[in-house]
Amino acid sequence: DTAVSQTPKYLVTQMGNDKSIKCEQNLGHDTMYWYKQDSKKFLKIMFSYNNKELIINETVPNRFSPKSPDKAHLNLHINSLELGDSAVYFCASSLLGLDTEAFFGQGTRLTVV
Amino acid sequence: AQTVTQSQPEMSVQEAETVTLSCTYDTSESNYYLFWYKQPPSRQMILVIRQEAYKQQNATENRFSVNFQKAAKSFSLKISDSQLGDTAMYFCAFMKEGYGGSQGNLIFGKGTKLSVKP
Repeated sequence: DTAVSQTPKYLVTQMGNDKSIKCEQNLGHDTMYWYKQDSKKFLKIMFSYNNKELIINETVPNRFSPKSPDKAHLNLHINSLELGDSAVYFCASSLLGLDTEAFFGQGTRLTVV
Repeated sequence: AQTVTQSQPEMSVQEAETVTLSCTYDTSESNYYLFWYKQPPSRQMILVIRQEAYKQQNATENRFSVNFQKAAKSFSLKISDSQLGDTAMYFCAFMKEGYGGSQGNLIFGKGTKLSVKP
């Protein structure tokens, strides 16, 4: 059973397109995250959602919008894709205050051409 | 703001030997957690070991152990009896304790690429 699953694993798209990456967790966690890993392997938080409320939003362009239909899902929608958006995007989840371990999905490699 | 620094972009070690990866961090928080994550070529992020700042005893997990120096804000990872499967990127990460705000947010170092040679 996959704890945190992301789809798709790979995504190739043209500049200007709109795309979504889906994430689901079956761990009963109350907080989900999106991280971006750039070409130099640097990982940085983009968003976190706690009980369906956005509690942190780093300086991410507003072309990126997280959507959480319920606390088991956190999707990432990206409008007007740019070349610089090419990266690996990781979804993660955790249980705040009780279990400090964050579980990561397998990542989505997004390539904008 | 918290920062995490890994000063060794790349390291290599012979199989069966011991290697230590360095990590320093900066924070004004008194309660926090520190982690080492492993990212093999498969891209999956795997938790290797974690340390609660309030615990003086260094965490150990089989061949992996840490040297946590709170006053020096240092958190190094020691891998004993290195195996070929240990070849990966290793990331040091910091997380504040508690609820609300940016709790749960992992702040990562830039990583150390470890190669285990046969």
